[in-house]
Amino acid sequence: GAVVSQHPSRVICKSGTSVKIECRSLDFQATTMFWYRQFPKKSLMLMATSNEGSKATYEQGVEKDKFLINHASLTLSTLTVTSAHPEDSSFYICSARSGPVNIQYFGAGTRLSVL
Amino acid sequence: GQQVMQIPQYQHVQEGEDFTTYCNSSTTLSNIQWYKQRPGGHPVFLIQLVKSGEVKKQKRLTFQFGEAKKNSSLHITATQTTDVGTYFCAGHQRAVGNEKLTFGTGTRLTIIP
Repeated sequence: GAVVSQHPSRVICKSGTSVKIECRSLDFQATTMFWYRQFPKKSLMLMATSNEGSKATYEQGVEKDKFLINHASLTLSTLTVTSAHPEDSSFYICSARSGPVNIQYFGAGTRLSVL
Repeated sequence: GQQVMQIPQYQHVQEGEDFTTYCNSSTTLSNIQWYKQRPGGHPVFLIQLVKSGEVKKQKRLTFQFGEAKKNSSLHITATQTTDVGTYFCAGHQRAVGNEKLTFGTGTRLTIIP
């Protein structure tokens, strides 16, 4: 199956710093990538949808200035959590989709802990 | 907005017993997908159902899509310890150009050896 690589897998940072998370599709071109957030024992909540070369579409309640998404190529999307605070601590997961196929392939996730 | 609920939220079963999780959407879906997330892991795609009333099987797993395309179920026969994890359904709304996948609330399965 398709492989999506997400780095880093874990980040511990101080409050006020910015954290960048990378999501790469290794063996296919991802026309669309998705960023999710998951709290412990909860479901996945879609944060934003990004298409290569265009601005991301953010879900209601997600601050675009707080969570910067860049989808510069067909194989790479990045999520930057700016000026992170303890309430931003969560499990962030990206997924990628190729063309019109509905199946999303997920990265391994990034566990962010903000002290 | 669209809501996708799953019941039960938690299920503890003796190894060898059967397990079923039910998924209900507030809106009609164009398709339903099922994912499994092991503890500490990420969601892994299991299957996609598209047709009304469709039933698909994967070894001990049976997936069903409701006639009205608003509900679905996953049934595991004779559970094994490797079945431990959270099972999520996820659906695309029946709308042109809507590529957003809405995840269900999940059912966490634990197995008692």
